[in-house]
Amino acid sequence: NAGVMQNPRHLVRRRGQEARLRCSPMKGHSHVYWYRQLPEEGLKFMVYLQKENIIDESGMPKERFSAEFPKEGPSILRIQQVVRGDSAAYFCASSPPALAIRTDTQYFGPGTRLTVL
Amino acid sequence: DAKTTQPTSMDCAEGRAANLPCNHSTISGNEYVYWYRQIHSQGPQYIIHGLKNNETNEMASLIITEDRKSSTLILPHATLRDTAVYYCIALYNTDKLIFGTGTRLQVFP
Repeated sequence: NAGVMQNPRHLVRRRGQEARLRCSPMKGHSHVYWYRQLPEEGLKFMVYLQKENIIDESGMPKERFSAEFPKEGPSILRIQQVVRGDSAAYFCASSPPALAIRTDTQYFGPGTRLTVL
Repeated sequence: DAKTTQPTSMDCAEGRAANLPCNHSTISGNEYVYWYRQIHSQGPQYIIHGLKNNETNEMASLIITEDRKSSTLILPHATLRDTAVYYCIALYNTDKLIFGTGTRLQVFP
């Protein structure tokens, strides 16, 4: 059973460009979460999505950041007009449907390391 | 979700048990205690979770005090590969994990 997959693993962008980060959840998982880890800091929750729905985006910056999880395909975290402060590791996690929350948890991917020049 | 407090760092000799404490004095009755670890800059790895009873799996044991105000993660035979930052998280559901600063465990030969 393949784990959570993220790509690219490393992404370099110049200021003002767009960054697209992709996340494929584990098989059978319909919930996706995105977290950001700034250098030398802990992970911070950004957004929680189910298929075609954003459930909780309380951790997302109000501007330039957006996320989607379409019916088909991976979840996408999109950062427009990147700035140097966006340089970080972005981790995606997935979990099974909510009915199983008491006996299951979130499983993380390897992350995408974004560097903004 | 309840706030957790962990020591900043700990050392452990290889082959010995590593006991990582966590205080969660404001935990509510329906909040679970989860443990994750992050090895170097990899994605966090789930270790174990529990509500009231002690739990054990192939990775570790989780001991929760009767009043649920604290818990201890036990790695029975630490290896060098267990060197990581360990996070204790108290939460009601898996909506969002709130990671504190964790405990940096250094296992030495």
